[in-house]
Amino acid sequence: QSALTQPPSVSGSPGQSVTISCTGTSSDIGRYNRVSWYQQPPGTAPKLILYEVYNRPSGVPHRFSGTKSGSTASLTISGLQAEDEAEYYCTSYTSTNTVVFGGGTKLTVL
Amino acid sequence: QVQLVESGGGVVQPGRSVRLSCVASGFTLSSHFMHWVRQAPGKGLEWVAFTSYDGSDKYADSVKGRFTISRDNSKNTLYLHMNSLRTEDTAAYYCVKERWEWELMGYFDNWGQGTLVAVSS
Repeated sequence: QSALTQPPSVSGSPGQSVTISCTGTSSDIGRYNRVSWYQQPPGTAPKLILYEVYNRPSGVPHRFSGTKSGSTASLTISGLQAEDEAEYYCTSYTSTNTVVFGGGTKLTVL
Repeated sequence: QVQLVESGGGVVQPGRSVRLSCVASGFTLSSHFMHWVRQAPGKGLEWVAFTSYDGSDKYADSVKGRFTISRDNSKNTLYLHMNSLRTEDTAAYYCVKERWEWELMGYFDNWGQGTLVAVSS
């Protein structure tokens, strides 16, 4: 149950786009489309922002989008806003019938 | 409106036990997979365990054999029984709802506020 690999930090200026990668293996991301992303501002519980790679729950802005290629999933945030500053986590269902998280990526809006 | 309210956290000595509870409302607990996810202070999220609508369960290797997840649908309550606690189990523990009924997808659409367990002598 090794964690998925995310960059520790990314940054961007307001209005720019940033992409956060999430790399797994052939036993998780490479095998299933059951990838989700979470946003966690400091001191709060995580919030689901994408599921099944690219689907947005109701209320999540279209600025948040997701893709997957092979064993790597990506979250792109377009038109960065100050309120997007948070920690972001990816998850995937795995072949051992468990769920694994990424290590988390801190997004700084400059 | 879905609500998940955890309780039972606190300071506990290494090797001791504690039981966390999570009272659920606003949805049918009995038809959903439910999970516990934890977060050590200043660290990332770690999936801990799930319980299926049919009572089956699964655990992360880090807690297997020490933690037991269970539910009482009549009380709309999820539990996490934590035995043989270690200092590395210190974390906020979140009760988490699976998005779809009857499905295990790993999509956590509702989270509790978390309850902190501090394992220390």
